[in-house]
Amino acid sequence: GQNIDQPTEMTATEGAIVQINCTYQTSGFNGLFWYQQHAGEAPTFLSYNVLDGLEEKGRFSSFLSRSKGYSYLLLKELQMKDSASYLCAVRDSNYQLIWGAGTKLIIKP
Amino acid sequence: NAGVTQTPKFQVLKTGQSMTLLCAQDMNHEYMYWYRQDPGMGLRLIHYSVGEGTTAKGEVPDGYNVSRLNKREFSLRLESAAPSQTSVYFCASSDSVSGGGQDTQYFGPGTRLTVL
Repeated sequence: GQNIDQPTEMTATEGAIVQINCTYQTSGFNGLFWYQQHAGEAPTFLSYNVLDGLEEKGRFSSFLSRSKGYSYLLLKELQMKDSASYLCAVRDSNYQLIWGAGTKLIIKP
Repeated sequence: NAGVTQTPKFQVLKTGQSMTLLCAQDMNHEYMYWYRQDPGMGLRLIHYSVGEGTTAKGEVPDGYNVSRLNKREFSLRLESAAPSQTSVYFCASSDSVSGGGQDTQYFGPGTRLTVL
């Protein structure tokens, strides 16, 4: 079967750095997405990786290793507004997105 | 540019009642999707459409019907609601995905449905 694993919840301190991991086992791979979802709101796109390596976008970076079935989202200089759930999704061989359950990130002052 | 809109935002139904959720996008996207999101689970695809007049089943299609009304609009109908269909429903849209591009999915604000 297809599976995306992420930690259920993480806690970090304002101003710090946090890394959210995602491991996947899917039938084929056509890209990996990270989305942010604030409570009661829609998921919004953060980043996309299709080749191995690091993609940097401001305070957020995303890394991919296809051989290990592994990605992480790195958030720097954490702000209170970063408190949200972070969803990892992999596009499989049928070009369907397979979603992880999400990681709830709690930021403390 | 409104992006993806959904109506209604909230709905309470009794078991056996029917309802239609409406989704519209103004980004000229070919693909549209209906997902449900339940606590502790990832988004699950119900049905999707790869273009006007087409629909296809996703991971959890039972109990739902869809219609791609035109390029902009995609509806989801529950013919006889059950408590197991209590969930948050999201509509999303994207450009064609088979061209190898990023083709990000953009989501509507969601409909919170409770079936009693």
